[in-house]
Amino acid sequence: EAQVTQNPRYLITVTGKKLTVTCSQNMNHEYMSWYRQDPGLGLRQIYYSMNVEVTDKGDVPEGYKVSRKEKRNFPLILESPSPNQTSLYFCASSLSGTSVYNEQFFGPGTRLTVL
Amino acid sequence: QQQVKQSPQSLIVQKGGISIINCAYENTAFDYFPWYQQFPGKGPALLIAIRPDVSEKKEGRFTISFNKSAKQFSLHIMDSQPGDSATYFCAAKGYQKVTFGTGTKLQVIP
Repeated sequence: EAQVTQNPRYLITVTGKKLTVTCSQNMNHEYMSWYRQDPGLGLRQIYYSMNVEVTDKGDVPEGYKVSRKEKRNFPLILESPSPNQTSLYFCASSLSGTSVYNEQFFGPGTRLTVL
Repeated sequence: QQQVKQSPQSLIVQKGGISIINCAYENTAFDYFPWYQQFPGKGPALLIAIRPDVSEKKEGRFTISFNKSAKQFSLHIMDSQPGDSATYFCAAKGYQKVTFGTGTKLQVIP
């Protein structure tokens, strides 16, 4: 089954404790992206990757890091989480980032709480 | 700064009625306008999308109307059903990035 998977689905942590949220897709997609969803703010793009070893900042990159060492994986790293990073996070992928008419496929989400 | 403005924030419609959600954008470099539907506990999923050289696109009960000169587009859900109750996001795509609206929570009551 073609899908985007994220782990963990739920995470409660404390301020300053480094964490990684994994994202994997099995569709051989070139483009992958991370979003955070907050009430009243919709989905905001954190980072995106056009292909392996190619990443770029989205609209809200502060406090996050990403890497794209393999085509299928795009982990999101919070090196020193803070309470304002409490949010619902979505990973998404699409066939290409340059082709305009590409559907993005979203993972099931990771609900992160930083105490 | 929200580049895609979406309204209303919430909407209650009776079964069989028409649901209308509006979006406006500022960046004329956007060249693809998808709508996503999100059910509770799930990730968003593409519902319907339109290119700026088309004024209307219809898929079943869902229609996008696009006004390029006004930089506005809207989603119309005809004969709304309780199963349509979800959060709807408009979006605008440029070269590499996608910008989403703030979302509309739709409730269709029997």
